[in-house]
Amino acid sequence: AQSVSQHNHHVILSEAASLELGCNYSYGGTVNLFWYVQYPGQHLQLLLKYFSGDPLVKGIKGFEAEFIKSKFSFNLRKPSVQWSDTAEYFCAVRDWGAGNMLTFGGGTRLMVKP
Amino acid sequence: DVKVTQSSRYLVKRTGEKVFLECVQDMDHENMFWYRQDPGLGLRLIYFSYDVKMKEKGDIPEGYSVSREKKERFSLILESASTNQTSMYLCASGPFRNGETQYFGPGTRLLVL
Repeated sequence: AQSVSQHNHHVILSEAASLELGCNYSYGGTVNLFWYVQYPGQHLQLLLKYFSGDPLVKGIKGFEAEFIKSKFSFNLRKPSVQWSDTAEYFCAVRDWGAGNMLTFGGGTRLMVKP
Repeated sequence: DVKVTQSSRYLVKRTGEKVFLECVQDMDHENMFWYRQDPGLGLRLIYFSYDVKMKEKGDIPEGYSVSREKKERFSLILESASTNQTSMYLCASGPFRNGETQYFGPGTRLLVL
């Protein structure tokens, strides 16, 4: 089964700083890749997804992620964070050759200082 | 908008009690899922169902069972609650199509004393 690693458990940034959150999955195959965000007290919601085509995907609120197949990575980026980006971010992988289940990383808790 | 609802936001139960967590979705999705969310561990899949009366074990099914009698409803059952089942439980649903995401409910925070 896939495993998903998120490299940082906690990240603290000042507003306007650039953000990159790492995500690696364990092995190749046909995969769909997702980033979810959970704002304090809210539902988990989809930020962006990749399933084919351009490996650079753009999501909501200025986020983007790049799928690098050779590195099994799907890192999340934002050029300039805002206080409202304070949330927990989860990377997830669906491996179509391994039961079609979604496997989540451990999450990264981002705090943006105003 | 997809709506996934869970029967309770907060629950407090005693060790040994039988606990039912209910989830309902209104988008006619084939797939439904139960996860638990624990700090530093992310979301871990307990069970999922891809059709009525069908169920598959996820990564951590021990101590849990599920029921899917109707397409829109997926129940998680703790037969005899234990303190290590104190957690946030998230239900999700999604269509069975490549690339499609899952939609999550608000979660049930369960405390087992």
